[in-house]
Amino acid sequence: DSGVTQTPKHLITATGQRVTLRCSPRSGDLSVYWYQQSLDQGLQFLIQYYNGEERAKGNILERFSAQQFPDLHSELNLSSLELGDSALYFCASSVGVGAQDSYEQYFGPGTRLTVT
Amino acid sequence: AQKITQTQPGMFVQEKEAVTLDCTYDTSDPSYGLFWYKQPSSGEMIFLIYQGSYDQQNATEGRYSLNFQKARKSANLVISASQLGDSAMYFCAMREGTTGTASKLTFGTGTRLQVTL
Repeated sequence: DSGVTQTPKHLITATGQRVTLRCSPRSGDLSVYWYQQSLDQGLQFLIQYYNGEERAKGNILERFSAQQFPDLHSELNLSSLELGDSALYFCASSVGVGAQDSYEQYFGPGTRLTVT
Repeated sequence: AQKITQTQPGMFVQEKEAVTLDCTYDTSDPSYGLFWYKQPSSGEMIFLIYQGSYDQQNATEGRYSLNFQKARKSANLVISASQLGDSAMYFCAMREGTTGTASKLTFGTGTRLQVTL
């Protein structure tokens, strides 16, 4: 158990709908990362938050948005869903403090999203 | 250009044997970190081992070791004494820079390892 929790584990929804994925980082971790794993794109970085602020953005679609709350949990919102959004969405967390480069990212169990 | 290349889509190894999973990387940043993760069929991503670009010695964690050849830009994972439970997908990943707070991981396409009796 990595200490990172994600809910829900599975989500099935229809095209055009909106969903929210939730992540709670490990205790003490300030950075939260979102990744998408799909068959055609592999594992791709979406977005990072550090202590409530957006710090880095990857190939995140405009239909997707995220935020990190004061209690450090994070939510990834996916709207106007398309079939191609079906994927495993991971949240990861790390300490992410200072210039240390040896800290690892711990991944949650993922949310499997199926868009029908 | 691919930043992380894993050229072995699938590998087989017999139980108790050692296996090497290849990973090459591409970066112009002098400061970077290399990671290996394991993804079993259940789907979770399990951190295995880390190597920093300035580390003088190869990283080791139990049965896992990282064969880091900086000049060749390779970071191969060696699993010794393979076990059936090692059957999984293995991903090599890289983090560039030392900003600490803005440090996404870039992943390779993975190698599926199957351990046989």
